[in-house]
Amino acid sequence: QKEVEQDPGPLSVPEGAIVSLNCTYSNSAFQYFMWYRQYSRKGPELLMYTYSSGNKEDGRFTAQVDKSSKYISLFIRDSQPSDSATYLCAMTGFNQAGTALIFGKGTTLSVSS
Amino acid sequence: DTAVSQTPKYLVTQMGNDKSIKCEQNLGHDTMYWYKQDSKKFLKIMFSYNNKELIINETVPNRFSPKSPDKAHLNLHINSLELGDSAVYFCASSQRRQVAGNTIYFGEGSWLTVV
Repeated sequence: QKEVEQDPGPLSVPEGAIVSLNCTYSNSAFQYFMWYRQYSRKGPELLMYTYSSGNKEDGRFTAQVDKSSKYISLFIRDSQPSDSATYLCAMTGFNQAGTALIFGKGTTLSVSS
Repeated sequence: DTAVSQTPKYLVTQMGNDKSIKCEQNLGHDTMYWYKQDSKKFLKIMFSYNNKELIINETVPNRFSPKSPDKAHLNLHINSLELGDSAVYFCASSQRRQVAGNTIYFGEGSWLTVV
C-alpha cells in the first residue's frame, strides 16, 4: 500500500458545482497536510495548509483532516473554469530538517462553463 | 520576475548523453529542492539543499548529481541518460529547511525526453 492514495480522476463538473477531492494515507505519524494546485505545464502552487485534525477555510476552498480515519479532503464551492487543474495532496510527519513532503498522485479536475 | 526559474524548459536528448538543468531562485530562500514528476503525475523529492548543504538525498541513481554553487542556485546534472529518466523535473525553494507548514515555491518544470 502506498503511503498516500489519491484518485487520479479525471473529475468533470459543471460550473458552480461543489467539488470534493480526497486523499487517504497510511502513516499515522503524518501531522501536516497540504493541498497544491497544478495547472497544465506549470509547477504546483500551495493552496491550503492544515496542521493535525480539523477544518480550514479560505474563500471558496475548505480543507478537512480526519486523522482518526487517515483521510483528508479539499472542498471547492461554486467551482469555476479557472479551477480546472490537477490537485495534489501532500503531507509530512515531522517539522524537522531532512523531512520530505509525500505527495499523492493528484486528481485532475475539469470545470466546464 | 519569476521567483524560481529553471532552464531549459524542454529538452530532448539521446540515451547515453549527459545533460544539466539549471535552477535559480530570487526569493532569498535558504532551501532548494529537486523533484521528479513521472508520466503518471507522481511528484517525488530527489534532493534538498540548505545553504549549499545537502540535507535530503533520496534513493536516486548516482547518475544524478546536484550542485549548489550558492544558496540561490541548485543545478541538476544527469549522466548517461536512460529512457526511464524521461519526466518533468521541478526545482523548488522554501524559506526554511523544515517542510512542515513551509510554503514550497516550484519552478515551471523542465520536460526531459530521452529518445
